[in-house]
Amino acid sequence: KQEVTQIPAALSVPEGENLVLNCSFTDSAIYNLQWFRQDPGKGLTSLLLIQSSQREQTSGRLNASLDKSSGRSTLYIAASQPGDSATYLCAATNSGYSTLTFGKGTMLLVSP
Amino acid sequence: DTAVSQTPKYLVTQMGNDKSIKCEQNLGHDTMYWYKQDSKKFLKIMFSYNNKELIINETVPNRFSPKSPDKAHLNLHINSLELGDSAVYFCASSPLTGVGDYGYTFGSGTRLTVV
Repeated sequence: KQEVTQIPAALSVPEGENLVLNCSFTDSAIYNLQWFRQDPGKGLTSLLLIQSSQREQTSGRLNASLDKSSGRSTLYIAASQPGDSATYLCAATNSGYSTLTFGKGTMLLVSP
Repeated sequence: DTAVSQTPKYLVTQMGNDKSIKCEQNLGHDTMYWYKQDSKKFLKIMFSYNNKELIINETVPNRFSPKSPDKAHLNLHINSLELGDSAVYFCASSPLTGVGDYGYTFGSGTRLTVV
């Protein structure tokens, strides 16, 4: 059964810093991995989707990588801004299944 | 706007009551889901429907009964509500049973509080 772990659970950085959020998964038979952002009291916004055949995806200041062999994905945020403050969730789907297995998230606070 | 929409956004009710949450997607997706986010913010799958057919039921109490009248709608009915049912319930959709290249789209959630 797939298990997803996110480290750190919380992160506080000053504005402008580059940062990396980590996600690990136990079952390497991954179909794809998706990174989401959740603002307090709000729904989930999809940030990046990486297929199992891909190594990374980029959107603006965000870059997500996937290493199936080591069971890891990272989300890199460049030049962080206060508006990036939110909880970041990674979630994996496995071959033959369509449901997401979520990590518990990293709560990011970017201070001005 | 293309989206997954849920109603109501907030629901406060007494123990023992029966309530429903509605979900609609206009994305043309084949598969819809219900996820539960508990007090520790952990998200877990409850149900998955593909073209109105139940394909996944993750050991959810049978007080929870999903209903999909068509592939654009997936409603969640909860009988005999208990305090432990308090959580945020998210509806989501994806275009293929195996997700494919497009990933998930989530609704904004329904915060259920049982008192």
